[in-house]
Amino acid sequence: AQSVTQLDSQVPVFEEAPVELRCNYSSSVSVYLFWYVQYPNQGLQLLLKYLSGSTLVKGINGFEAEFNKSQTSFHLRKPSVHISDTAEYFCAVSESGSARQLTFGSGTQLTVLP
Amino acid sequence: DADVTQTPRNRITKTGKRIMLECSQTKGHDRMYWYRQDPGLGLQLIYYSFDVKDINKGEISDGYSVSRQAQAKFSLSLESAIPNQTALYFCATSDSQRGYGYTFGSGTRLTVV
Repeated sequence: AQSVTQLDSQVPVFEEAPVELRCNYSSSVSVYLFWYVQYPNQGLQLLLKYLSGSTLVKGINGFEAEFNKSQTSFHLRKPSVHISDTAEYFCAVSESGSARQLTFGSGTQLTVLP
Repeated sequence: DADVTQTPRNRITKTGKRIMLECSQTKGHDRMYWYRQDPGLGLQLIYYSFDVKDINKGEISDGYSVSRQAQAKFSLSLESAIPNQTALYFCATSDSQRGYGYTFGSGTRLTVV
């Protein structure tokens, strides 16, 4: 079975500063990796995903993530954040294959300060 | 209209009452899921359904039941609600043949008093 650890429950950052949200996973088989974003009072939206190929994945709103198999990590980055990026971010993993059932991390609340 | 619609959006109910949360989708996806979200705990899987006749328990199914009335409809029931079932509930869908990841509804905020 797979598991996901999001190392920071809250990340405050000033507007226009860079940010990294950390995610580590555990699995005995190959995986697919995802980042979702949840804005207040909304459901989760897919930000980006890694299935195979290039380890650097670009998503919506200027976010990107890098898959590092040796470190079993999939950290999310943005070079310059905006107030509107304030939201909760969830990392998720599924074992590659037909099941594709996701396991979610506990979430990281990103707060962008003016 | 939203691809995945959950009703109601908000509900307050009393301890011991039976309550049903409904989810419908227009995505044409075969798989549907119910998750519970509590602060600091992320999303926990309650039940999932791979098709109308295939329903499975998730990690926290005790106290809940589900019904897959059609490919597009998946309802979650709390037979006798208790206060620690107060949470935000999400329905999600996925396609086993195409695409990866889930499409989520906007959630139902349930308060049991």
